Amino acid sequence: DAGVTQSPTHLIKTRGQQVTLRCSPISGHKSVSWYQQVLGQGPQFIFQYYEKEERGRGNFPDRFSARQFPNYSSELNVNALLLGDSALYLCASSLTGDAADTQYFGPGTRLTVL
Amino acid sequence: GQQLNQSPQSMFIQEGEDVSMNCTSSSIFNTWLWYKQDPGEGPVLLIALYKAGELTSNGRLTAQFGITRKDSFLNISASIPSDVGIYFCAGQNTGNQFYFGTGTSLTVIP
Repeated sequence: DAGVTQSPTHLIKTRGQQVTLRCSPISGHKSVSWYQQVLGQGPQFIFQYYEKEERGRGNFPDRFSARQFPNYSSELNVNALLLGDSALYLCASSLTGDAADTQYFGPGTRLTVL
Repeated sequence: GQQLNQSPQSMFIQEGEDVSMNCTSSSIFNTWLWYKQDPGEGPVLLIALYKAGELTSNGRLTAQFGITRKDSFLNISASIPSDVGIYFCAGQNTGNQFYFGTGTSLTVIP
């Protein structure tokens, strides 16, 4: 079975632009979570979605938004990009998103903001 | 955002040695998780802990959920070269928010 897939692999944007990142969960998984990982640090939680509803939100500004589609895939949108948004963006999927569920991470999208 | 305090930051050990790392938080968590991340890849779950005091093993790895629910440790016994990587702890709270540690970089010298 395919694991979590993310696209694109790499992305270069300039300050002020907008970006959309995509994630396809493992087949059968209904929950998707998004994380930002700045170089040299651990991932920071951005959002969790389950059955198209936002279930959890980390401490990120409103420039960050996400949604989950009926097929459980997800998009993360970031508006008005800042240099500090440069990071690896990770998507993780799980069956239900509950604490007892195992999260499986994708390879990430490397975003560079110039 | 909040990050858990993980120590040590890096370790250089000889192959065959045991490794110990820990993670502390000022907040209580319901779940503690330990991940390993290789360069260019996403984190891979090693061990999940769901109850205070729980001690769980996965092969050469052993992890414990602290009694106070504010800490956890991971031990690796008889290290091998493929143990090289960055190890992260993570906690999940009742608000379905996940927090990751700052990471421990492990280098195993053959």
